Amino acid sequence: DAGITQSPRYKITETGRQVTLMCHQTWSHSYMFWYRQDLGHGLRLIYYSAAADITDKGEVPDGYVVSRSKTENFPLTLESATRSQTSVYFCASGEQGRTDTQYFGPGTRLTVL
Amino acid sequence: GDSVTQMEGPVTLSEEAFLTINCTYTATGYPSLFWYVQYPGEGLQLLLKATKADDKGSNKGFEATYRKETTSFHLEKGSVQVSDSAVYFCAQKATGSARQLTFGSGTQLTVLP
Repeated sequence: DAGITQSPRYKITETGRQVTLMCHQTWSHSYMFWYRQDLGHGLRLIYYSAAADITDKGEVPDGYVVSRSKTENFPLTLESATRSQTSVYFCASGEQGRTDTQYFGPGTRLTVL
Repeated sequence: GDSVTQMEGPVTLSEEAFLTINCTYTATGYPSLFWYVQYPGEGLQLLLKATKADDKGSNKGFEATYRKETTSFHLEKGSVQVSDSAVYFCAQKATGSARQLTFGSGTQLTVLP
């Protein structure tokens, strides 16, 4: 399917466990982004990537790790999940030079018990 | 730092009512401004944008005008429909910034038949 997909859509885990959220896009967009959405905070940028093997921190990167070995994939890993990381996570992509228009995936709702 | 402030929700309107959702921003320089919409269970999608002062963005009957003098970008629609029920996010992107949209906290709109 064309577009941007995220998996899983829902995840429940326990404190201290490692969790990886997957993001895949079929447009070959250069840029990819990870946001978290929390009530009262809107969306906050966690990490972004300008191209394969190029990543950079956003506003709230602590506790998260990203990688981008292929243009189309941008996984987000919580190395040791904490309750404060309970949130809805959105992946987005954007074209080089046109990142004002970002295309969002459907989100992953993560609950850390 | 750069920020976006939008009116608190939720907003509940009857069908065909007039809608205004206020948005103001703080930024150094002249950012591009956006409204994104999130329908239930979906990711965000771009609704409209404006890239310079006095520009008016419009789409699907929604409009917003970039007001530099009041640092505002209020969203309006003359006659809302039930299908407009969603969460609306105001956002900005700094001039020359490739990476990051700064979002407001979102405003939940419910339109009743």
